[in-house]
Amino acid sequence: AQSVTQPDIHITVSEGASLELRCNYSYGATPYLFWYVQSPGQGLQLLLKYFSGDTLVQGIKGFEAEFKRSQSSFNLRKPSVHWSDAAEYFCAVGNRNTGKLIFGQGTTLQVKP
Amino acid sequence: NAGVTQTPKFQVLKTGQSMTLQCAQDMNHEYMSWYRQDPGMGLRLIHYSVGAGITDQGEVPNGYNVSRSTTEDFPLRLLSAAPSQTSVYFCASSRLTNLQGGGTNEKLFFGSGTQLSVL
Repeated sequence: AQSVTQPDIHITVSEGASLELRCNYSYGATPYLFWYVQSPGQGLQLLLKYFSGDTLVQGIKGFEAEFKRSQSSFNLRKPSVHWSDAAEYFCAVGNRNTGKLIFGQGTTLQVKP
Repeated sequence: NAGVTQTPKFQVLKTGQSMTLQCAQDMNHEYMSWYRQDPGMGLRLIHYSVGAGITDQGEVPNGYNVSRSTTEDFPLRLLSAAPSQTSVYFCASSRLTNLQGGGTNEKLFFGSGTQLSVL
């Protein structure tokens, strides 16, 4: 069965500092992986996705993520965080056969001035 | 282009009442799904569909029914509401790629959500 774990419920970083949000997945084959962001009172927006090929994926808003099969991880990174990045971030894994998409519990990012 | 339209935005029910949350999309997406969002639990998949006449269960299907009679509509029915169903509900749709023998969704488009309270 597919599942996603985001070990960090809440993370606080200073503006300008680097960011890494962790995501671990469970899936029997090569997964499809996604990161979505939800700003307060907003819907979810796709940041980036991994289907195949290059394991380092670039997304919108300066985010990137790296797929590491050996660690079953898909961590999200940003070199320099902006105050507007404060939001909740969700990692998700998709089933290649059915399209079924499962989300993790989410990580809330707080940015200090 | 309306995208994904969810109604109602807010609803209060009494325990035992039934109701239907409506979801419609005008993008001709094959994949449609319902999630509930609860604090600390993320988004949990209730039911999903990969096309008209095809539905399947997600992570938390108990107490909910769905049907997909058309490509555009995917209503979620609460048969007998319980306080544990108090949540924010999101409908989402997507294109599917690699349809032969399966498919993966490319990007989910979400509705604006329904805040449901069951008293």
